[in-house]
Amino acid sequence: TAGITQAPTSQILAAGRSMTLRCTQDMRHNAMYWYRQDLGLGLRLIHYSNTAGTTGKGEVPDGYSVSRANTDDFPLTLASAVPSQTSVYFCASSEASLAGELFFGEGSRLTVL
Amino acid sequence: AQSVTQLDSQVPVFEEAPVELRCNYSSSVSVYLFWYVQYPNQGLQLLLKYLSGSTLVESINGFEAEFNKSQTSFHLRKPSVHISDTAEYFCAVSRSNFGNEKLTFGTGTRLTIIP
Repeated sequence: TAGITQAPTSQILAAGRSMTLRCTQDMRHNAMYWYRQDLGLGLRLIHYSNTAGTTGKGEVPDGYSVSRANTDDFPLTLASAVPSQTSVYFCASSEASLAGELFFGEGSRLTVL
Repeated sequence: AQSVTQLDSQVPVFEEAPVELRCNYSSSVSVYLFWYVQYPNQGLQLLLKYLSGSTLVESINGFEAEFNKSQTSFHLRKPSVHISDTAEYFCAVSRSNFGNEKLTFGTGTRLTIIP
């Protein structure tokens, strides 16, 4: 069972360039999330989507955008990357009936130089 | 808004010794509480959760956590740790009775098992 698939697993990006991190789920979950994980800061929510066609801002949305054209895909775009966006990014999904149980991908490590 | 505090960023423990990872939360409303585990180079996985009912909850690999409302705590314990328990552990909280309520995570505790 694939669950959540993220791509790429790792990327080095020059500052000012754009980048899209891909996320696909095969569990038909309504809700999807993007988190960034930084040492000493834990996981912080960037954007979320409660259902296809809707998105919302999390704790740290600046510099990021998302779209949710269908249930399965939830890409995260950095329009003009900056070094402070160097992080490990995790996509997750959940079903409202399973309160608080998030299913995570294996992460995308992004380095912005 | 709710928040979570994990006071210990790193906890080294000898193999077969007991361990407690501390978690305290703050919220003005009723909450659900969770522990997630992240093994090296992997995403997070749900370890256990408290939604309602018995305040003591257990996982399949020997961990347990107790919800203490008066102390606003949800500490994670294991009586005897194994090398395979080496991982980072995250406490998380969400408001109860809200559909698709967002989780707020703590900063994590890195558990290192010493052979």
